[in-house]
Parts: sequence; structure tokens; C-alpha cells
Amino acid sequence: SAVISQKPSRDICQRGTSLTIQCQVDSQVTMMFWYRQQPGQSLTLIATANQGSEATYESGFVIDKFPISRPNLTFSTLTVSNMSPEDSSIYLCSVGQGRSEAFFGQGTRLTVV
Amino acid sequence: AQSVTQLDSQVPVFEEAPVELRCNYSSSVSVYLFWYVQYPNQGLQLLLKYLSGSTLVKGINGFEAEFNKSQTSFHLRKPSVHISDTAEYFCAVTVSSNTGKLIFGQGTTLQVKP
Repeated sequence: SAVISQKPSRDICQRGTSLTIQCQVDSQVTMMFWYRQQPGQSLTLIATANQGSEATYESGFVIDKFPISRPNLTFSTLTVSNMSPEDSSIYLCSVGQGRSEAFFGQGTRLTVV
Repeated sequence: AQSVTQLDSQVPVFEEAPVELRCNYSSSVSVYLFWYVQYPNQGLQLLLKYLSGSTLVKGINGFEAEFNKSQTSFHLRKPSVHISDTAEYFCAVTVSSNTGKLIFGQGTTLQVKP
């Protein structure tokens, strides 16, 4: 199994500012994943973070808006840039272990005012 | 491309009654299937998974699901629900060798009434 810690757990931010979310895993993993869950919606994959290379973004998500860092095999950050109220969501970090299952952090609940 | 459809957005049910949450998927290749549960203000917890083998899989909290390849379905069932089962349930698929890359359904809210 994997234990994932996310920080912060929640935040209220002013529009136009940026927030960096941290994700720490208790074991080394090749790929880490960032998801967004908009209010009352399902989870949508933002990007895959690989150690040693640039993140791979899904359709509709761009690096300028959601820059990702992956400095080592246990840590990643997601930045939500130039925020607007539409960015108010829960952001979740996830790791998969082969073909077993995906493990999720508790999420970061972001409110943009 | 893969997609997942959860056929019911909300399922109200009385305590101790049986329940089925429906999930259909679309894929041109073999998939791995999962059900996750999200309790209010919490993260996601894996209920059960189908990777291969027996098409009837049993999970935690008395839940089970059956993989039906011909119907492209993976419905979740529980013979007797409890108030504590009230939560959001997500069906998810992946074709990746790394199961962190998931495609989720829209979610089904299970409301268990006393």
C-alpha cells in the first residue's frame, strides 16, 4: 500500500493569486497523478508527473495554468496559477502500484474568492 | 478512448434493503475496473477491483461486483445496506499498466434512509 499526504488540506485564496499543493508519498513511485474534482462532479485527470521529465497533461489542461514539479520519487507539487472562482475544486494526488490499485491523498479543498 | 457511464446519479434506498449501482464502460481494449467510495469530506477508498480471473469480485464492507464483458458492465451490489453506506460511489477504468491513471464515471450518490 501507499500513504499519501497532501498539504494544505484546504485553503481560501484571492482571485489572481497562485496556490502550490504538495504531495508526499511514503514510498518511491515512478508516476504520480493529479486529479481535479469540481463541486458535485467526478474526478478528472489533470496530468501525470514523471520523475526526471516534464509532466504529461490531459486535454483541456495546460502547463501555464497547472505547472507541476517532480523533484524526486516521493514528492510532487501542483500549482494552480492565476486563480479564478472556476478553479474552486478539490485537487487530489494519486499513485498507482503496478496493476494493483490507485491510492489517493485526502485532497486539497480550494475555494477562490 | 475509454469512457465510463454510471447510469444513476442518485439512488435512495431504505436501510437493510439490497442495492445495485450500475456502471457501464466503453473500450476497444481490455480494461481493469474499480469501484471507489468517497465519504463526505474525505478522500477516495477502494471498494473492490477487477483485474482478471473470476468475474465476481468481493470487496470491503460487504460489497461485490460482477464483470460482464459482453454487456460491458461492472455493477456494484450489496444485499443489505446500512446508514453508514451513505456516500458517493465512483466506477473507474484504466487500460494502463499503472493503475494510477484512471477514468472515472460521474458518480452515484447512495442515500440510505432509516
